[in-house]
Amino acid sequence: GAVVSQHPSWVICKSGTSVKIECRSLDFQATTMFWYRQFPKQSLMLMATSNEGSKATYEQGVEKDKFLINHASLTLSTLTVTSAHPEDSSFYICSAQGATEQYFGPGTRLTVT
Amino acid sequence: GENVEQHPSTLSVQEGDSAVIKCTYSDSASNYFPWYKQELGKRPQLIIDIRSNVGEKKDQRIAVTLNKTAKHFSLHITETQPEDSAVYFCAAKDGSYKLIFGSGTRLLVRP
Repeated sequence: GAVVSQHPSWVICKSGTSVKIECRSLDFQATTMFWYRQFPKQSLMLMATSNEGSKATYEQGVEKDKFLINHASLTLSTLTVTSAHPEDSSFYICSAQGATEQYFGPGTRLTVT
Repeated sequence: GENVEQHPSTLSVQEGDSAVIKCTYSDSASNYFPWYKQELGKRPQLIIDIRSNVGEKKDQRIAVTLNKTAKHFSLHITETQPEDSAVYFCAAKDGSYKLIFGSGTRLLVRP
């Protein structure tokens, strides 16, 4: 199947700093990518839909100025968590839309101290 | 928007028994229903999916059924094995590509 990578796999940052997470589709082009957040023992919650060359579409309740999404190419989308706070600590997972299914990245565990 | 409900939240079965997880969805426009298995700290893995023009699909020990009229779909795992223990998520997708996930079922298969 298609491969989606994420970098970094884990990151620890201090409160108030910003963190960038990269999501890449390695062997296919994805015009649409998605960003999810998953808190411990909870489900995946869709944060935003990222479309190549246009602005991301955010789900209700997700602050677009805090979670900056850029999808500058058909193989790369980035999520920047700005002014991170401890409550932003979570597992962030991206996915890329293929021809028939979504392919998930391995996730990035963010810990804000 | 779409809302997916999943139950039970936890399920414990004896090895060799069957496990059934059920989901309901709200948006009649949804047309794709995947099931994912997620192990701790890992990405969700697609285990089976079904589209709205099909009522049932089977892949070895795993089967999924879909009732469009009632807006519910179910995952059936037969002859469960300890390695089936994980969290299972159902999801529903409409034409916008957005996947909306159920709340998850933690399956424990006791040896």
